[in-house]
Amino acid sequence: AQSVSQHNHHVILSEAASLELGCNYSYGGTVNLFWYVQYPGQHLQLLLKYFSGDPLVKGIKGFEAEFIKSKFSFNLRKPSVQWSDTAEYFCAVLTTSGTYKYIFGTGTRLKVLA
Amino acid sequence: EAQVTQNPRYLITVTGKKLTVTCSQNMNHEYMSWYRQDPGLGLRQIYYSMNVEVTDKGDVPEGYKVSRKEKRNFPLILESPSPNQTSLYFCASSPSNDAGGRGKLFFGSGTQLSVL
Repeated sequence: AQSVSQHNHHVILSEAASLELGCNYSYGGTVNLFWYVQYPGQHLQLLLKYFSGDPLVKGIKGFEAEFIKSKFSFNLRKPSVQWSDTAEYFCAVLTTSGTYKYIFGTGTRLKVLA
Repeated sequence: EAQVTQNPRYLITVTGKKLTVTCSQNMNHEYMSWYRQDPGLGLRQIYYSMNVEVTDKGDVPEGYKVSRKEKRNFPLILESPSPNQTSLYFCASSPSNDAGGRGKLFFGSGTQLSVL
């Protein structure tokens, strides 16, 4: 079955620390990959997406992610986090072979200490 | 302003009483979908629609119905709600072309449903 795994459920960092959130997916077809962020009390917003081309994609607010096909991974990174990055982060896969379904990971709650 | 509008924001109901959560988008998007968000489970897709009169099941469709009679509206119907449908629900839409941002989901503000 298709699935998305986020292994870090809770992450606590101090401001200026570097961030890397893991995301692995299980799907044999062509994948479209996303990272969404949900700030407290708000709906989800797109951080970045990968469809094809350069496997290193840059998103908003200094975030980037790298698609490694051989590892079925799409990890999210940020060199220096800020207090305002406190949020929940979701990795997602869009499958387009036969169906058009979004599969989300269970999310990672990031808390950045000022 | 481009947006996805869900109503109501909060809803408390009792087991078995039919309810509808409305969703409307003003961006002329072809794709619309519903999700439920539960602690520790992330978002799970309930139903999606590729266009008017075209709907399909997501991963957790049991107990839910949808319809897509107009491009802008995609209501979620719970014919006989049960307590295990207590959850936070999100509607989302997406364009189908690259110029419009294909694949990017635009989310509504959510509906917190409690079924007693």
